[in-house]
Amino acid sequence: DAKTTQPPSMDCAEGRAANLPCNHSTISGNEYVYWYRQIHSQGPQYIIHGLKNNETNEMASLIITEDRKSSTLILPHATLRDTAVYYCIVRVANSGGSNYKLTFGKGTLLTVNP
Amino acid sequence: DAGVIQSPRHEVTEMGQEVTLRCKPISGHNSLFWYRQTMMRGLELLIYFNNNVPIDDSGMPEDRFSAKMPNASFSTLKIQPSEPRDSAVYFCASSFPGTETQYFGPGTRLLVL
Repeated sequence: DAKTTQPPSMDCAEGRAANLPCNHSTISGNEYVYWYRQIHSQGPQYIIHGLKNNETNEMASLIITEDRKSSTLILPHATLRDTAVYYCIVRVANSGGSNYKLTFGKGTLLTVNP
Repeated sequence: DAGVIQSPRHEVTEMGQEVTLRCKPISGHNSLFWYRQTMMRGLELLIYFNNNVPIDDSGMPEDRFSAKMPNASFSTLKIQPSEPRDSAVYFCASSFPGTETQYFGPGTRLLVL
């Protein structure tokens, strides 16, 4: 799986958009970008994933650059409860076999301030 | 749905004792994962089951660790004998066939003295 690079920490004001970047310059054509987050003392939580097109769900939006070498997770209106470590993971889609592993890096600690 | 259930939530034991961690996956999920999280090594996959069969146990640290999944609704991770370096948070996760999302439990915080 391609490696990812994320800033170790970011701050965001409550109510503002939080934009979390991720670099994955060695991503392959069949690899997806996944985002999980881990709130303190809880298990990781799936947020969103995408291949080429931008994706949006009830939690966040995922913007992937045209060359797919980087992406941005957007939390449109951050709340205090969004304070967590956010993990960007790149891997081949689950198609059975060995394509099940999630390799977690160090992630970005997002702190939402009141 | 109750989500992935893990027990106990906290465990304190002495070196040399046997420790058993339990996991109940979400009903209908056929894949189950055990992870370990420490400050030094982050989140690591220990073992992966598919349809109750262990598929990949390459992440299991050593023979002191063993995992079983006797049926679709229950799995155990056992450490015997436990050592202080086993102190960590152990997470269980499950996923539905053919989907990308892994659902994690709340974890078991293990402290081996």
